[in-house]
Amino acid sequence: AQSVSQHNHHVILSEAASLELGCNYSYGGTVNLFWYVQYPGQHLQLLLKYFSGDPLVKGIKGFEAEFIKSKFSFNLRKPSVQWSDTAEYFCAVIPFSGGYNKLIFGAGTRLAVHP
Amino acid sequence: ETGVTQSPTHLIKTRGQQVTLRCSSQSGHNTVSWYQQALGQGPQFIFQYYREEENGRGNFPPRFSGLQFPNYSSELNVNALELDDSALYLCASSSPGVRDETQYFGPGTRLLVL
Repeated sequence: AQSVSQHNHHVILSEAASLELGCNYSYGGTVNLFWYVQYPGQHLQLLLKYFSGDPLVKGIKGFEAEFIKSKFSFNLRKPSVQWSDTAEYFCAVIPFSGGYNKLIFGAGTRLAVHP
Repeated sequence: ETGVTQSPTHLIKTRGQQVTLRCSSQSGHNTVSWYQQALGQGPQFIFQYYREEENGRGNFPPRFSGLQFPNYSSELNVNALELDDSALYLCASSSPGVRDETQYFGPGTRLLVL
């Protein structure tokens, strides 16, 4: 079955620390890849997405992610986190199978950034 | 803000009751997808509506049903509510049929079943 695994459920960092959140998916075909973020009290927002081309994609607020096809991974990175990055982060994929497009989400990683 | 709106924001029901949740899609989007997000989990796909027809369905029982209207807004109906139906219900709108489809989410409806 198609699935998405996020390696860390909870991450605690100090401001200015670097961030890397792991994401792996299980599907052998073509995928679109996404990272969504849910800030406290807010709705799910798109952080960045990969469809094709350069496997290193840049999103909003200084986030980037790298698609490594051979590892079925799409890890999220930020060189220096801020207190305002405290949120829950979800990795998601759309596996293309000739029908409709549904998002398959990971369980999420809750990030807390301390000043 | 994505332009996707949902109502109500919160709802409390008892077991066995029925509930209807509503979603208005972003301007220019003709597809609505519904997801259930239980506490501590990622959203799970319920179904998708495209041009007023159910376009695809996840692993949810038939008591979860939906509608899409000519203006592309949508409803999610859940009959015979169970305690496990307590969750955040998310609606997402998109324009399908393109390789780079992106789904944009509304704020959700938080349902509590007692």
